[in-house]
Amino acid sequence: DIQLTQSPSFLSASVGDRVTITCRASQGISTFLAWYQLKPGKAPKLLIYGASTLQSGVPSRFSGSGSGTEFTLTISSLQPEDFASYYCQQSRAFGQGTKVEIK
Amino acid sequence: EVQLVESGGGLVEPGGSLRLSCTVSGLTFRDAWMMWVRQVPGKGLEWVGRIKSKASGGTIEYAAPVEGRFIISRDDSKNTVYLQMNSLKTEDTAVYYCCHDMNSYFEAVHWGQGTLVAVPS
Repeated sequence: DIQLTQSPSFLSASVGDRVTITCRASQGISTFLAWYQLKPGKAPKLLIYGASTLQSGVPSRFSGSGSGTEFTLTISSLQPEDFASYYCQQSRAFGQGTKVEIK
Repeated sequence: EVQLVESGGGLVEPGGSLRLSCTVSGLTFRDAWMMWVRQVPGKGLEWVGRIKSKASGGTIEYAAPVEGRFIISRDDSKNTVYLQMNSLKTEDTAVYYCCHDMNSYFEAVHWGQGTLVAVPS
């Protein structure tokens, strides 16, 4: 089974900061990777699929890159509504999550 | 607008059973591959299982922790997917979401609001 390892597990950042989250797969997965945003009490929101395709309606400050075993989610300029948890997913596996909090 | 509405969550004793329902509107349900994903309170997401459309063979897959205890089914006449949960354990306590596998790669843009299943210790 594929394992996904996200880093960091937690990060503290300020509004306007550039934030990068990494997801590493235990074996090559081409570009079959998605990123989700989770907020308390809300359903997960798909941000990126196919490693780099921005889901319709998602702000362009979100971007994804990578292929094979290493992937990144970047938020170019963190906004107040972006403080949340982020998860990568490949097939049946999810990463353990990254919580982005206000510094 | 696509909507997924779950129901059926609640408090159940260890060893008990519960059936969750997810009714879908706004997409052609009979063609939809549907999944269940759960989130343990304060923790991450965990894939529970998936059911393909009948046209794609109706294949059902389960995560190892629930295989043999949970059953996913669908009623295309009611646009509804079900999760029958048997022999429930405390570790099954979670918010359960149904979602639509949009491209057969387990990626989901449409999700229900979630329903809480609590199995006390």
